[in-house]
Amino acid sequence: DAGVIQSPRHEVTEMGQEVTLRCKPISGHNSLFWYRQTMMRGLELLIYFNNNVPIDDSGMPEDRFSAKMPNASFSTLKIQPSGPRDSAVYFCASSIRAASETQYFGPGTRLLVL
Amino acid sequence: DQQVKQNSPSLSVQEGRISILNCDYTNSMFDYFLWYKKYPAEGPTFLISISSIKDKNEDGRFTVFLNKSAKHLSLHIVPSQPGDSAVYFCAASATGANNLFFGTGTRLTVIP
Repeated sequence: DAGVIQSPRHEVTEMGQEVTLRCKPISGHNSLFWYRQTMMRGLELLIYFNNNVPIDDSGMPEDRFSAKMPNASFSTLKIQPSGPRDSAVYFCASSIRAASETQYFGPGTRLLVL
Repeated sequence: DQQVKQNSPSLSVQEGRISILNCDYTNSMFDYFLWYKKYPAEGPTFLISISSIKDKNEDGRFTVFLNKSAKHLSLHIVPSQPGDSAVYFCAASATGANNLFFGTGTRLTVIP
């Protein structure tokens, strides 16, 4: 199994630009999660999907952030417009059924907004 | 409000000795606990877990101990190896919850 796949691995962009991060969960996993990791706040859950439906998006910092899961094998996290405060590592994770189970993480996307 | 706490940001251990990483939690509803290991530029990797019905789970060199009354768990690595040098995250969840709650991590350095 290839594990959770994320792209791009690194992204450098200028303030105000749109950024789209992509994730392919492990095949057969029904739950998908987007996390953000920063030095100040550690690992924060942004949004959780179950069976392609957003269940909890209370961690999404503001309206500039949006996430979609059009099918069971693909999700995007979009930031529009991006700002320097968004610089972080963004992880995607998936689990077989529920959020309370073992989650398997992708390698992350390191985002730098100048 | 940090529901899972790792109070030691770093730990250094000599190769061959035991590494003990600690984690405390505040939510008595938590019933599933996990440890993840993270190398630089990689995502967290699941290491070992324990259900609240147990107080110990062992997998090779890794053992997790759970003390429910103290709301404390620990990860023991014996013997420690240089390849174990990484950041270790403790996480916890409650059945039906929408989240794993993560600690802030402990950076383990195993000195050859």
